Amino acid sequence: DTEVTQTPKHLVMGMTNKKSLKCEQHMGHRAMYWYKQKAKKPPELMFVYSYEKLSINESVPSRFSPECPNSSLLNLHLHALQPEDSALYLCASSRRQGLTFTEAFFGQGTRLTVV
Amino acid sequence: QQQVKQSPQSLIVQKGGISIINCAYENTAFDYFPWYQQFPGKGPALLIAIRPDVSEKKEGRFTISFNKSAKQFSLHIMDSQPGDSATYFCAASLTPKETSGSRLTFGEGTQLTVNP
Repeated sequence: DTEVTQTPKHLVMGMTNKKSLKCEQHMGHRAMYWYKQKAKKPPELMFVYSYEKLSINESVPSRFSPECPNSSLLNLHLHALQPEDSALYLCASSRRQGLTFTEAFFGQGTRLTVV
Repeated sequence: QQQVKQSPQSLIVQKGGISIINCAYENTAFDYFPWYQQFPGKGPALLIAIRPDVSEKKEGRFTISFNKSAKQFSLHIMDSQPGDSATYFCAASLTPKETSGSRLTFGEGTQLTVNP
């Protein structure tokens, strides 16, 4: 099973709303990631959790708040977003191999539209 | 230092032909080089990956060639099929510290179209 499950698949939210994106994996991977992808562009790293601790924050605005409740779950809490935050939000996970983390598997993404 | 340059931006191949996509990198600390295939509205799917101590890896119709001295790697798709039409991203991975997870740097992508 190489599946990363994201919910919801689509989300439309107003600029004053609070919503959350959810991600789940049962591959025993100890690193989990949030990426943002705009149309016709490559994914851009937002956050990395390693062993349930936030290890990398790529200077993401505070209106995005990640959370890792346990080793299988990753959330992204959204508040007061701007229309330019509309994008495909991708969750990924990877396993430890020696001194590195390899084979990042991506979920299908949440298509977020901010109105 | 963190850039990965990918070419071509778009590629049109006839069914049964060979598709070749090239990538180049600068940072010699990258320790893993995956290729992803992405269909519209879907997440990237891992196709094949290679470590820098290996010069070639083949899985089915997909082959990665890796040239460490030139800091270049490429994806070859043999016997290309219309179902291969998608966007392909090369990437380079760096694990900053042992327990920090990895940072993937993607190329800009190649839109592959395989005509029937």
